[in-house]
Amino acid sequence: DSGVTQTPKHLITATGQRVTLRCSPRSGDLSVYWYQQSLDQGLQFLIQYYNGEERAKGNILERFSAQQFPDLHSELNLSSLELGDSALYFCASSVKAGVYGETQYFGPGTRLLVL
Amino acid sequence: GDSVTQMEGPVTLSEEAFLTINCTYTATGYPSLFWYVQYPGEGLQLLLKATKADDKGSNKGFEATYRKETTSFHLEKGSVQVSDSAVYFCALSGGASKIIFGSGTRLSIRP
Repeated sequence: DSGVTQTPKHLITATGQRVTLRCSPRSGDLSVYWYQQSLDQGLQFLIQYYNGEERAKGNILERFSAQQFPDLHSELNLSSLELGDSALYFCASSVKAGVYGETQYFGPGTRLLVL
Repeated sequence: GDSVTQMEGPVTLSEEAFLTINCTYTATGYPSLFWYVQYPGEGLQLLLKATKADDKGSNKGFEATYRKETTSFHLEKGSVQVSDSAVYFCALSGGASKIIFGSGTRLSIRP
């Protein structure tokens, strides 16, 4: 158990809908990262927040957004969902803000299926 | 840009066989290197890491040595078990916020 929690574990929705994925980092960790794991794209970094502020962006679509709240939990919002958004979404956390070589600890993921 | 290349799977071995999963990387500077494991239906778990050249990471009988001269971080285990069946990801962290992952290698161990 990494100490990172994600809810829900599974999510089934329809195209065009909007969903929110939630992540609670390990106690004491200030950074939260979101990753998408799909069959065709592999594991891709989406976005990072550090202590409430956006710190880095990766291959995140404009239909997707995230935020980190004062209690440090984070939410990833996915809107206007398409079939291709079906994937496993991971949250990870670390103590600092992407310090060189810092270890990230991953949650169990949320499996999203868009029908 | 930075990248990680690992051997394609699936890899199927018999129990107690020797395991090697190859991983090479391309990076500017001196990245930290990781192996993560994903068991069926679960999330990613950090298996081991190495932060500088010639460091050896080890955990649960798995080992990997950071080889700067060959830009490699091959995963090895002397005697695999059925419970080692999983997908293994080689990854690097080069100072930017994100971790860059390889494509993953699926390992299946026959009893």
